[in-house]
Amino acid sequence: AQTVTQSQPEMSVQEAETVTLSCTYDTSESDYYLFWYKQPPSRQMILVIRQEAYKQQNATENRFSVNFQKAAKSFSLKISDSQLGDAAMYFCAYRSGLGYQLIWGAGTKLIIKP
Amino acid sequence: DAMVIQNPRYQVTQFGKPVTLSCSQTLNHNVMYWYQQKSSQAPKLLFHYYDKDFNNEADTPDNFQSRRPNTSFCFLDIRSPGLGDAAMYLCATSRAGASGRGETQYFGPGTRLLVL
Repeated sequence: AQTVTQSQPEMSVQEAETVTLSCTYDTSESDYYLFWYKQPPSRQMILVIRQEAYKQQNATENRFSVNFQKAAKSFSLKISDSQLGDAAMYFCAYRSGLGYQLIWGAGTKLIIKP
Repeated sequence: DAMVIQNPRYQVTQFGKPVTLSCSQTLNHNVMYWYQQKSSQAPKLLFHYYDKDFNNEADTPDNFQSRRPNTSFCFLDIRSPGLGDAAMYLCATSRAGASGRGETQYFGPGTRLLVL
């Protein structure tokens, strides 16, 4: 069975600095997708970034980028120029290529210090 | 804007009194999901619909049921809410690709259920 691990329950960063959230996963599949979702205190879950396993190039989305290390089964999220609005719970999630169910990590609470 | 809408945003019910939560979408996605999320935890999938095909997770209590009368709407029925059912309920949608692959899930704002 697939598992997703986020080892940092909480992280804090100074506004305008860069922070990296870690995520590791375990799978025997070769076809899968990885996601980072953000859930601010208002509680709506928002997609931050998505990575297809077959793509070697790391996904980026404005200030958000991932470091996808397939062999190491690592999928970290880097947030550059952190802003107060980035404060949220960040969840890493895995989905099999042909599946529907997301396997979720426990989440990392990100605190932005002004 | 295309979106996933959940009503109501807050629902208070009494112990044992049936309650229905609703979800609608303008994304025209053929897959709809219901999740339960308790404080500071990851969402837990209850079930999903692929078009009209209902897929129940093995550990979803019988107390939870769902209906999908058409593509746009999906309902979560809790037949006899207990105190342990107090949670945020999230609806999500996704397309299913031509190969049957599930695509990215998009979430609604959630309904917070309080059981008294």
